[in-house]
Amino acid sequence: GAVVSQHPSWVICKSGTSVKIECRSLDFQATTMFWYRQFPKQSLMLMATSNEGSKATYEQGVEKDKFLINHASLTLSTLTVTSAHPEDSSFYICSASTTGLETQYFGPGTRLLVL
Amino acid sequence: KQEVTQIPAALSVPEGENLVLNCSFTDSAIYNLQWFRQDPGKGLTSLLLIQSSQREQTSGRLNASLDKSSGRSTLYIAASQPGDSATYLCAVTGAGSYQLTFGKGTKLSVIP
Repeated sequence: GAVVSQHPSWVICKSGTSVKIECRSLDFQATTMFWYRQFPKQSLMLMATSNEGSKATYEQGVEKDKFLINHASLTLSTLTVTSAHPEDSSFYICSASTTGLETQYFGPGTRLLVL
Repeated sequence: KQEVTQIPAALSVPEGENLVLNCSFTDSAIYNLQWFRQDPGKGLTSLLLIQSSQREQTSGRLNASLDKSSGRSTLYIAASQPGDSATYLCAVTGAGSYQLTFGKGTKLSVIP
């Protein structure tokens, strides 16, 4: 149980385009979903927290207009990287939790390469 | 601001050895501490979760300890195997918060 999927697993795009990443909780309802970014040899850094039906809360330094997060249902959250640039190339991982205070279950990650 | 440090950054051991990975955190007001495993290019697999009121947790060949007052945790791996090769991440959840703060990880290589 407690499986989280992400799609796509990897994506290559041209600079200036937008990329959407999906995060799904497959066998449980996730009130809260988290989006992390991991650069090579760095730790996972929380980008934003989303609660179903409300606006996401972004961490300091993360541009909310660039990283659009939608959590429209209890099983799906999406992260859209708008006008992607090479510096946005990273490993994006989502996690899901039933209440936010409970265990977070992590997706397999999405590797984004912006050319 | 909570900071999590993991030492060493990388470790290489021969198969069969017992080993210890270290994690320290600056703010002892935590809700819990978790150890994760991350394989190259993959997501995270939760290994052990220790609540702030607990001292240790065990799962198979893994044992994690927590000394909240000193801000330290260790992950002990017994009889290491090549399949244990991965990056091990330590993360803490702050008290009254749901946010995980991660360390940079320890990259473990177990040599056959």
